[in-house]
Amino acid sequence: GAGVSQSPSNKVTEKGKDVELRCDPISGHTALYWYRQSLGQGLEFLIYFQGNSAPDKSGLPSDRFSAERTGGSVSTLTIQRTQQEDSAVYLCASRPDRFYGYTFGSGTRLTVV
Amino acid sequence: QKEVEQNSGPLSVPEGAIASLNCTYSDRGSQSFFWYRQYSGKSPELIMSIYSNGDKEDGRFTAQLNKASQYVSLLIRDSQPSDSATYLCAPTVNNDMRFGAGTRLTVKP
Repeated sequence: GAGVSQSPSNKVTEKGKDVELRCDPISGHTALYWYRQSLGQGLEFLIYFQGNSAPDKSGLPSDRFSAERTGGSVSTLTIQRTQQEDSAVYLCASRPDRFYGYTFGSGTRLTVV
Repeated sequence: QKEVEQNSGPLSVPEGAIASLNCTYSDRGSQSFFWYRQYSGKSPELIMSIYSNGDKEDGRFTAQLNKASQYVSLLIRDSQPSDSATYLCAPTVNNDMRFGAGTRLTVKP
């Protein structure tokens, strides 16, 4: 597609429920990243996928968070047993290789009530 | 010491002035350097990239890089109110892009 697509754009969920956030990167971009941004804060790295290599999960804040990337394209970030502190905007970004900057999606605003 | 340091601001400049945004980084292995602009409630948008020492100009924007000093800056000439946003510095080592916390710029008409 023309840009990085994320869905849903907004998600309100009850504490303790599981949520799935989807990212469809730009076609041909081998690298895909997930970040989250709490209100008024900077970008917090979560996870990174590069081609068929094992993902870099070093930024995942707890074992309630997981992500996968199927077929080297679409990625899903799953948060189990959501907590109120998980409320944030979750941003996905992709790029063709390390000499290019990221293109960000419009994000998913997650609110845990 | 933070990996990427930026003055959080807010930086306020009058319309038409030059806005100067600064960034220092700790990883000497950083190879590529990017500047992003983020409007309130929006996603970051790539505005400049620089890879070698010196200046790179693109329209009203000039990026400056000094690897010896581990310093990168962004100059915005003829600042406009529409430039009011948070500017994020992002040095990159291989596939690892580290973002600064950003500098909030306000351009006053």
